Amino acid sequence: DTEVTQTPKHLVMGMTNKKSLKCEQHMGHRAMYWYKQKAKKPPELMFVYSYEKLSINESVPSRFSPECPNSSLLNLHLHALQPEDSALYLCASSQEGHHYGYTFGSGTRLTVV
Amino acid sequence: AQSVTQLGSHVSVSEGALVLLRCNYSSSVPPYLFWYVQYPNQGLQLLLKYTTGATLVKGINGFEAEFKKSETSFHLTKPSAHMSDAAEYFCAVIKRGNYGGSQGNLIFGKGTKLSVKP
Repeated sequence: DTEVTQTPKHLVMGMTNKKSLKCEQHMGHRAMYWYKQKAKKPPELMFVYSYEKLSINESVPSRFSPECPNSSLLNLHLHALQPEDSALYLCASSQEGHHYGYTFGSGTRLTVV
Repeated sequence: AQSVTQLGSHVSVSEGALVLLRCNYSSSVPPYLFWYVQYPNQGLQLLLKYTTGATLVKGINGFEAEFKKSETSFHLTKPSAHMSDAAEYFCAVIKRGNYGGSQGNLIFGKGTKLSVKP
């Protein structure tokens, strides 16, 4: 299995809703990442988990709450989002070390109304 | 600090023509460089990477890139464009050394949209 699976593929939520994005990989990667990509922009890092512990938080607002229940799963909990949070949310994973590159999922297209 | 600059936000070529997408890097340490491709409404797929060793790197789908330290460049090429190559291409570098642990931060260039004309 060489894939990162993200669900759902599309999500529309109101500003008062609570929702979660899910990411799963079975490649034995011990680092997992959340990226946010706005239209016509490059992906920007949000969070990094290393061995199930949060190691990087790029000053992301608290309305985004990451969780790593185990080495294969990564969640992103969403609450009280704003319309400007609408974007493609990408999950990625990688092996230990800098030189392997990341494997990306196909993303969740989030629309906040 | 590590960063990459992609020259040209949009490149258009004819089918069968040479593809050349430009990327220059800035790094105070030997860089780890990557090219990713993104098709519409999709995630990112790794095309190729340079870490150490051979400076001419071959990737998937007939793409290759050459690491030139003297020019701080890592341009992506393909001898003959195909319609299916139309996509967004991102050059990226690992930003490392600023965080605990061995994971860094994959920093992307602004991207180059490749169009292929029939």
